[in-house]
Amino acid sequence: AQKITQTQPGMFVQEKEAVTLDCTYDTSDPSYGLFWYKQPSSGEMIFLIYQGSYDQQNATEGRYSLNFQKARKSANLVISASQLGDSAMYFCAMRENTGNQFYFGTGTSLTVIP
Amino acid sequence: DTEVTQTPKHLVMGMTNKKSLKCEQHMGHRAMYWYKQKAKKPPELMFVYSYEKLSINESVPSRFSPECPNSSLLNLHLHALQPEDSALYLCASSQGGNRGGNQPQHFGDGTRLSIL
Repeated sequence: AQKITQTQPGMFVQEKEAVTLDCTYDTSDPSYGLFWYKQPSSGEMIFLIYQGSYDQQNATEGRYSLNFQKARKSANLVISASQLGDSAMYFCAMRENTGNQFYFGTGTSLTVIP
Repeated sequence: DTEVTQTPKHLVMGMTNKKSLKCEQHMGHRAMYWYKQKAKKPPELMFVYSYEKLSINESVPSRFSPECPNSSLLNLHLHALQPEDSALYLCASSQGGNRGGNQPQHFGDGTRLSIL
């Protein structure tokens, strides 16, 4: 079974609008971390935001927030006030606390339209 | 600026060449990773070193040979590669061990490898 599922291969959003990128995960480990990364066309992987399995509140980092629904095993990324520079691939990832391996989803290609 | 440094940024090599990719981090991380990534695809895990010992080898062909000389350095030795090995190779590091679950991976900018 896939550990991380991203069901949106491509998304479009109007500049200044908000967009939600979906991510669901599968684990039996009670302790885990969820991460979102941005990868522009230049190739670097940029860490955006982290959510721990025991965190009571949704994580926020500037214009990024994570909508964490533990019972549904979802960790959607919300980008508010989209900018042209947000156009990139976005990957959701998970790390179980018992190991060093990170599991990546297939990614969502986001295009911000002026 | 990235805290994980990879060299070279670009590499073109023939199928009979031997070359090495290098990765360096000074964040005190004890887990280091090599990934292969094709365009518009997620990174594919190749190797994980934990405390300088190889802990995960994802059935990578022997033409790729990793080496971890110390806790800051990670190398990937390349020999007799095939055209399908052309890809972006990413190095990453993270806090290792069982208490590292809330720590992200930090990636280098990658090496774009082309095999002629």
